[in-house]
This record gives sequence, structure tokens and C-alpha cells, in this order.
Amino acid sequence: AQSVTQLDSHVSVSEGTPVLLRCNYSSSYSPSLFWYVQHPNKGLQLLLKYTSAATLVKGINGFEAEFKKSETSFHLTKPSAHMSDAAEYFCVGLTGGGNKLTFGTGTQLKVEL
Amino acid sequence: NAGVTQTPKFRILKIGQSMTLQCTQDMNHNYMYWYRQDPGMGLKLIYYSVGAGITDKGEVPNGYNVSRSTTEDFPLRLELAAPSQTSVYFCASSPSRPGLDFGETQYFGPGTRLLVL
Repeated sequence: AQSVTQLDSHVSVSEGTPVLLRCNYSSSYSPSLFWYVQHPNKGLQLLLKYTSAATLVKGINGFEAEFKKSETSFHLTKPSAHMSDAAEYFCVGLTGGGNKLTFGTGTQLKVEL
Repeated sequence: NAGVTQTPKFRILKIGQSMTLQCTQDMNHNYMYWYRQDPGMGLKLIYYSVGAGITDKGEVPNGYNVSRSTTEDFPLRLELAAPSQTSVYFCASSPSRPGLDFGETQYFGPGTRLLVL
């Protein structure tokens, strides 16, 4: 079964500085991985997804993630943080024969002036 | 399309009461899911369905029941509410398995916040 681990529960950055949200996965096969964002009191929105095509995946709002098999990582990055990026971010993997998503515990991103 | 809709948005229950959380999608998706979200715990899958008439347990099914009589609706039933069921509940749907090569994804509803006292 596949699992994902988000290494940081909280990340704080200054506006205009880079964002790095870390995610490691464990899987015995080529995984499908996703990043979702949840703004306060909102539902979840898909940022980007990796499904064994290009290892560098570009998503919405300037986010991207790189799949690194050697490091079993799928870290989310953005070159320059904006105040509107403040939210909770979930790294998500696939289990159950491809029927079910497994969520990481989330990383709360705080963006300061 | 309205997407995935959930009702109610917020509910307070007394211990032992029962209620049904409603979920409807108008995208003709086969797959539907119920998650609960507890602080610091991410989302946990309660039940899911791969089509009308077919349901299966997720990670945390105890205390819940579901049915899927139509493609559009996937209600979640709490029979005897307990304080441990205080959580935010999300319904989601996808057209097919969320991990296929072409990367189908799940679409989430806005959530139902449930408080059991």
C-alpha cells in the first residue's frame, strides 16, 4: 500500500520568498501523487498531479512539484509566495488498487508581510 | 454544473441522535467518497462507492452507513452520534479511478461541519 508523509506541520515564509512544502511517499510501484490546497472554511482544490509522465509537474497559481524517485519525494514549491497562498496543503497518494486517495496530515502555510 | 453539493453546512447533534449528511453531484461521476477531517489528521476515508448499488468501507467506517441508489446521490448516515464523530465531513466524486494514467481527480464538496455534544 502507498502512504505519504508530510514532513512539516507548519511552514512560515515572508511574502515574495520561495515556498517549499515537503512530502515523502512510500510505494512498491510507480505512484500517482497529488497536491491539494484547502483555504480556510473552504473545500479542497487540486493544485497538481503526477501520474508517471513528466517528473516536473506544473500546477495552478505558480506552484510546481518534482517527483524524485531516488529520494521518494514529491515536494511542492513556488518561487515567490503571495499572501493568498496562506492555506493548508495536502500531499495525497493512491491506495486500494487505484480506487482511493490517502491524505497526508497537512502542512499549514503562513505568509507574512 | 453545480459540482458536488453537501447539506447541511453545519449541524449540532446530541449524543445518541441520528442524522443523514446529504451529498449530490451533477457531473455523472461513477465514483463517490466520504471523508472526515480532524485537526492535524488529514482526511480519512469513511466509505466510497464505485457506482450505483456498490459501496465499500474505507479506513474509518465504524459508526457510519452509506447507500448509493442513484449515480447522483451518496448520503452518509450516523445512527448513534458520539462525540468522537465531531468533525468536518467532505464528500467527493470522480469520473473514474483517481489514479488512472490520464489523471482523473476527485472533486470535493464544501464540507459539513458536525458537532456532537
